Amino acid sequence: AQSVTQPDIHITVSEGASLELRCNYSYGATPYLFWYVQSPGQGLQLLLKYFSGDTLVQGIKGFEAEFKRSQSSFNLRKPSVHWSDAAEYFCAVIGGLTGGGNKLTFGTGTQLKVEL
Amino acid sequence: EPEVTQTPSHQVTQMGQEVILRCVPISNHLYFYWYRQILGQKVEFLVSFYNNEISEKSEIFDDQFSVERPDGSNFTLKIRSTKLEDSAMYFCASRASGSYEQYFGPGTRLTVT
Repeated sequence: AQSVTQPDIHITVSEGASLELRCNYSYGATPYLFWYVQSPGQGLQLLLKYFSGDTLVQGIKGFEAEFKRSQSSFNLRKPSVHWSDAAEYFCAVIGGLTGGGNKLTFGTGTQLKVEL
Repeated sequence: EPEVTQTPSHQVTQMGQEVILRCVPISNHLYFYWYRQILGQKVEFLVSFYNNEISEKSEIFDDQFSVERPDGSNFTLKIRSTKLEDSAMYFCASRASGSYEQYFGPGTRLTVT
C-alpha cells in the first residue's frame, strides 16, 4: 500500500527566508503527487500536483515542488516566505487508478510558523 | 470560482445519535469522497462514490456509516449511532471525470459528547 512521510512536524522560518518542506512517498509505480495547504478553520486547498513530465512543477502562491524518483521525494519549496503562508501543509499521493476510486493518502502534515 | 460547500460547519451531538453531514460538490464533478481528520492526526480516506455507488471504502467506513446522493446536487454522509471516537473534522471532496485533482470543502467539525 502507498504511504507518505512528512518528517518535519513543525517548521519555523523568518518572513522573507526560503522554505523547503520534505515529503517522501512509498509506492511501487509512478505516483500522482499533491501538496495541499490548510489554513486555520479552512479546508484543504490544492497548491500543486505532479503526474508526469517535467519533474519541477509550479503551483499557486509562488510554491514549487520537485519530484525525485531516485529519492522517492516530492519536496515543496518557496524562495521567499510571506507571513500569510503560515498554515499546515500536507503531501498526498494517489497510489494508482482503481476504477472510480483514486483515494488520496496523506502525510501527517507540517505546521509552518512564520516569524515576522 | 466553483467550490465544494459543506453544512453544517460545526455539529455537536450526543453519543448514540444519528448525524447527517451534507456536501454540495462542484456541479460538473462526478466523483465524490469523504475524508476525516481526527484532531492532531492525518487526513484519512473514508469512502469514494461514483455513479450512485461506493467505489472504494476504508476499514474505518463500517456499517454505521453510509453515503447517499439524494438528488442532483447533494452528497451526504450519515453516521447512524455516533461514538466518542467519531469526533473529527469531516471533509467532502469532488473531482471531475478525466482529472485526478480533488477539490475539498471547508469541512464539518463533528463533536460527539
